[in-house]
Amino acid sequence: AQRVTQPEKLLSVFKGAPVELKCNYSYSGSPELFWYVQYSRQRLQLLLRHISRESIKGFTADLNKGETSFHLKKPFAQEEDSAMYYCALWNRDDKIIFGKGTRLHILP
Amino acid sequence: KAGVTQTPRYLIKTRGQQVTLSCSPISGHRSVSWYQQTPGQGLQFLFEYFSETQRNKGNFPGRFSGRQFSNSRSEMNVSTLELGDSALYLCASSSDRAPYEQYFGPGTRLTVT
Repeated sequence: AQRVTQPEKLLSVFKGAPVELKCNYSYSGSPELFWYVQYSRQRLQLLLRHISRESIKGFTADLNKGETSFHLKKPFAQEEDSAMYYCALWNRDDKIIFGKGTRLHILP
Repeated sequence: KAGVTQTPRYLIKTRGQQVTLSCSPISGHRSVSWYQQTPGQGLQFLFEYFSETQRNKGNFPGRFSGRQFSNSRSEMNVSTLELGDSALYLCASSSDRAPYEQYFGPGTRLTVT
């Protein structure tokens, strides 16, 4: 079964500390994975995709096929990073499967 | 380009009633997807329409239905509303070139009493 799992509903991190939002997936083919973010009172939007291998707002995510993971990382958390983060998988049948999301709370 | 728009933004209905939500995609986007967002279940996929045809469907009961018009605008209908249908309903559109990149609307907040 195709599935995206985000084990943490809430993650609280102090400002300046490293952040790691976990995402594991279950997919038999070659996955395309994404992170979406929803800031307070803003729309859900694409943050980054694994194929682009870029860093957006200091965040990076590496696809680990052996561990079937796509964790989102940032070395130094900032208060503006507080948001809801969703990991998503595109299954090439034009269907996107979202995880249940992790709320990231940056503590001052 | 104008973003995805959804109407109405807020809606209060009573159990047993039905409701219709509307979504206008970004100009040129032919795919429209609907999601239900709740604190407990997160983002759950309802269905996707492409060129007036339902292309994908999530695991929701038949009370949830949708359609898409020739101008790509889409409507979602929920019949016989239940208290558990209270949620934020999000619509998203995507282009043919990048179907994985969903552009979300602001959502319709539905409260069932």
